[in-house]
Formats: sequence, structure tokens, C-alpha cells
Amino acid sequence: EAGVTQFPSHSVIEKGQTVTLRCDPISGHDNLYWYRRVMGKEIKFLLHFVKESKQDESGMPNNRFLAERTGGTYSTLKVQPAELEDSGVYFCASSQDWVDTQYFGPGTRLTVL
Amino acid sequence: DQQVKQNSPSLSVQEGRISILNCDYTNSMFDYFLWYKKYPAEGPTFLISISSIKDKNEDGRFTVFLNKSAKHLSLHIVPSQPGDSAVYFCAASGGSNYKLTFGKGTLLTVNP
Repeated sequence: EAGVTQFPSHSVIEKGQTVTLRCDPISGHDNLYWYRRVMGKEIKFLLHFVKESKQDESGMPNNRFLAERTGGTYSTLKVQPAELEDSGVYFCASSQDWVDTQYFGPGTRLTVL
Repeated sequence: DQQVKQNSPSLSVQEGRISILNCDYTNSMFDYFLWYKKYPAEGPTFLISISSIKDKNEDGRFTVFLNKSAKHLSLHIVPSQPGDSAVYFCAASGGSNYKLTFGKGTLLTVNP
């Protein structure tokens, strides 16, 4: 069974540009989470989808971040416009039910110059 | 305000000995605790978990102990192997709050 996949693995962009990160959860997992780790800090929750609905987006830093999960399958996280402090590793995780173990993808390393 | 703290950034042990990784938390609403292991350029991999109704959970070489009164948990790895070298993250969730709150991680190095 394929695990959680994320694309791209790395992205380097200029401040002010737009970047879209993609996450494909484990097949059949209704719950999808986004987390972010800024260098030297802990991994922090961004938001949680149940199928296509946003269950909790309390961790989203500001309105420059937009997450979608159309059709309840893959999810995208768009940062527009990107700022220097958005640099970090963005992880996606999925679980079958919300009480189940969350399985993480390899992450996307975003560098904003 | 960091609700999950791993005060040791790194730990070095000899192969075959015990590794003890520690984690403290401040939020009394946390009732489920997990340990994840992370290798470079990979995502965190689930290792072991414990519910607040227990004080110990064991899985092979890995044992997690929970002391609720002290708001402290620890991960014991016995015996330690070089392949265990990785960053270990402590994480917690609480009540109907499914989102994980992580510590900063502890880099474990197991020397042959």
C-alpha cells in the first residue's frame, strides 16, 4: 500500500511569488492534516480536513495560505504571496478516522529567498 | 508557549545499552501521547503511543512510560541499535482535539 506522498520535495521561490504544494493521502483515509516545521522549531499543526471539509484551520498563519481538498482525495496548500518566514518543511499526514494514528509524508522543503 | 517540551536536543549511547528519551507537557487536556521517529529527508514515522489511562506501553524494544502527576513521559529503547539513530519527536493530543502538538525533538545517536 502506498504511503502519503507529497510534491514537490523541494521548492525554491522568490519572495512575493506563489507556490502550491500537493499531498496525496493514503487511499481510503478521510482525514488529512497539514503541519509545518520552521527551522529549529517544533512541528506545528496547520489544518485538518475530513473528506473535503475543513474541520479545523486554527493553525493557519494568515490569509496568504489557502488549503483545498476537492473531492476529498488529494489536497493542495497554496502560499500567495510567499514571505521569507514561510520557509520550512511542510508535512502532510493522513488517518482513516480522526482517532487513528496519523501517517506522515516525506514533506516539502520550501525556501523563500 | 511550548506545551510539549523535549529538553535534551541530543543523546548519545552505545550500541546494546538503554536509550531514555524524555518529554514533559503542560496541558492537562492532553490524554494521548505518541512518539515519532524521523530520519533525514523523511517524514516522521509513528513508533509507539500511550493513552492517559495507562502508565506503560511496550512494543518490542520500545517502551513508553507515562507519569500523569508529573506530566512526564519517557521512551526507553532496549537494546539500542545503530539503526535507531534518528530524531525522536514526542507528540500529544487531547479530548476531541485530534491535532498533534509536538516537541522540538531529540537527536539520538547510537554508536557501534
